[in-house]
Amino acid sequence: AQSVTQPDIHITVSEGASLELRCNYSYGATPYLFWYVQSPGQGLQLLLKYFSGDTLVQGIKGFEAEFKRSQSSFNLRKPSVHWSDAAEYFCAVVGLVGAGNKLTFGGGTRVLVKP
Amino acid sequence: KAGVTQTPRYLIKTRGQQVTLSCSPISGHRSVSWYQQTPGQGLQFLFEYFSETQRNKGNFPGRFSGRQFSNSRSEMNVSTLELGDSALYLCASSKNQETQYFGPGTRLLVL
Repeated sequence: AQSVTQPDIHITVSEGASLELRCNYSYGATPYLFWYVQSPGQGLQLLLKYFSGDTLVQGIKGFEAEFKRSQSSFNLRKPSVHWSDAAEYFCAVVGLVGAGNKLTFGGGTRVLVKP
Repeated sequence: KAGVTQTPRYLIKTRGQQVTLSCSPISGHRSVSWYQQTPGQGLQFLFEYFSETQRNKGNFPGRFSGRQFSNSRSEMNVSTLELGDSALYLCASSKNQETQYFGPGTRLLVL
């Protein structure tokens, strides 16, 4: 069964500093990988996705993520954090064939931004 | 293009009642999935509908059910509500087996 692990429950970062959120997945084949962001009381907004090809993918709001097959990781990065980036971030995976559209999510990482 | 819409946004029910939540997908999207989000269990997949047929089902009791209409709109129903059903219920739509776009959610409180 596929699974996703986000080792960090909370991360505090200063405004202007860089941010990296870790994500490890378990899946038998090449998965489709996603990062979503959720602000308090809101739904999930898609930041970026990886299906195939270039392992460094760019997303919205200045975020990027790198797929590393050897490490089963899909870490999210942002070079300079803004106060508006304070939110909860979820990594997710969906299987390619036969799994329909079932997203499996990690537990999430809550990001706090210090002024 | 309008995003995924969910109604109602907030709901308060008492134990034993039933509830119906509605989701309108993005135009042209035929797949609708439902997720439950709670502080303790995180985001959990409930079920997915595609072309009016349930294609996938998560590990939830039979009290949780859903359906999809010919216009791709979907409803989920929870019968005999329990306190533990209090959660944010998220609906997502997609065009095919790829990216899912989420609605704002319906927050259900069971008293």
